[in-house]
Amino acid sequence: TQLLEQSPQFLSIQEGENLTVYCNSSSVFSSLQWYRQEPGEGPVLLVTVVTGGEVKKLKRLTFQFGDARKDSSLHITAAQPGDTGLYLCAGGDDYKLSFGAGTTVTVRA
Amino acid sequence: NAGVTQTPKFQVLKTGQSMTLQCAQDMNHEYMSWYRQDPGMGLRLIHYSVGAGITDQGEVPNGYNVSRSTTEDFPLRLLSAAPSQTSVYFCASSYAYSSGSTYEQYFGPGTRLTVT
Repeated sequence: TQLLEQSPQFLSIQEGENLTVYCNSSSVFSSLQWYRQEPGEGPVLLVTVVTGGEVKKLKRLTFQFGDARKDSSLHITAAQPGDTGLYLCAGGDDYKLSFGAGTTVTVRA
Repeated sequence: NAGVTQTPKFQVLKTGQSMTLQCAQDMNHEYMSWYRQDPGMGLRLIHYSVGAGITDQGEVPNGYNVSRSTTEDFPLRLLSAAPSQTSVYFCASSYAYSSGSTYEQYFGPGTRLTVT
């Protein structure tokens, strides 16, 4: 099993602030995905990154895949209460993904 | 499209009881998986299937059985429930993305199981 470590475990910020969540591994992944999960629901895919050094933007969310394809980060600009949730990274070389434990993000109004 | 559906949403079992968690998808995805989610441990793979009639074990398969008789359905059976199986269970389906080595997962809403 490829281990993915996410940091921080919890993050609480005020509306309008920026935040960054990290996902690190000692293994190389062919791709890495980010999911967001809201209470009582299943995770929902936000983005997939496949190329080392790749940067993808989704409105106020910016995702980066490390050059060595072992790590990734998620940056949220001007966070809003709707960004509150559990953010999970997942990696793998086939359909059997390994998931990190997640970062719980709370954005206070 | 309903996507991935799971039933029941909540279930309470006594130790030793058996039950089946239902999962269905209407996206014609080849791959389906079952995960359990426990606090601080992320999602752990229980069993998966790469197509009808083909299943295999994931990271934490003990105490669970699966079968895949159709593309759409992938039920998870708890043979003899134990308190350690108290968890939230998610079913997911996926397809090969881009070059064929990336698989994006579509999750159901989950079943919250408590074993007393």
